[in-house]
Amino acid sequence: QVQLQESGPGLVKPSQTLSLTCTVSGGSISSGSYYWSWIRQPAGKGLEWIGRIYTSGSTNYNPSLKSRVTISVDTSKNQFSLKLSSVTAADTAVYYCARSRDGLGAFGYWGQGTLVTVSS
Amino acid sequence: VIWMTQSPSLLSASTGDRVTISCRMSQGISSYLAWYQQKPGKAPELLIYAASTLQSGVPSRFSGSGSGTDFTLTISCLQSEDFATYYCQQYYSFPHTFGQGTKLEIK
Repeated sequence: QVQLQESGPGLVKPSQTLSLTCTVSGGSISSGSYYWSWIRQPAGKGLEWIGRIYTSGSTNYNPSLKSRVTISVDTSKNQFSLKLSSVTAADTAVYYCARSRDGLGAFGYWGQGTLVTVSS
Repeated sequence: VIWMTQSPSLLSASTGDRVTISCRMSQGISSYLAWYQQKPGKAPELLIYAASTLQSGVPSRFSGSGSGTDFTLTISCLQSEDFATYYCQQYYSFPHTFGQGTKLEIK
């Protein structure tokens, strides 16, 4: 059974870069035709898709965040990562990593989520 | 960008009721639609994908229908554990977008 776990700082200062890592267990991140995504959810609000990476390294980003987002994969560590630059209070949210259930875009596996607060 | 209108935003119902949640797209997405259930403090869980295919392990009281622009999630006989927030999500085009959510509460 695939499991995902987010990790990273829970507090980031405004204008700095938010960095999170998702560690995958129960399977190799480079096996199969899956997409690995980041999704966020501000407190009391809905879900926002940030972007995704394929094991080949190809990426797709939400245009609303594209200029600030980088998603990368480290197959040797079975991890993928999110970097979001120039953060503001509006980036405060629970951040989830997720895997597609197949080669499409429905998310069959999710991490538990990690709260990132942007504050000085 | 594909805009999604999910309704209602709040739904009050009783155990044993049959309820439906609607999701309408600003343009056709074939059947590239998923439904999720989210409970407080937890990650969303996939219920249905490809508009009408039940994810493994999900009770058969959940069903999905629709294609193109109009989709529906139906819960046929509400159980106590079904009171939660539900989201639709399209994965036809980028960016993948979610509906605004429907909070299903006990009447």
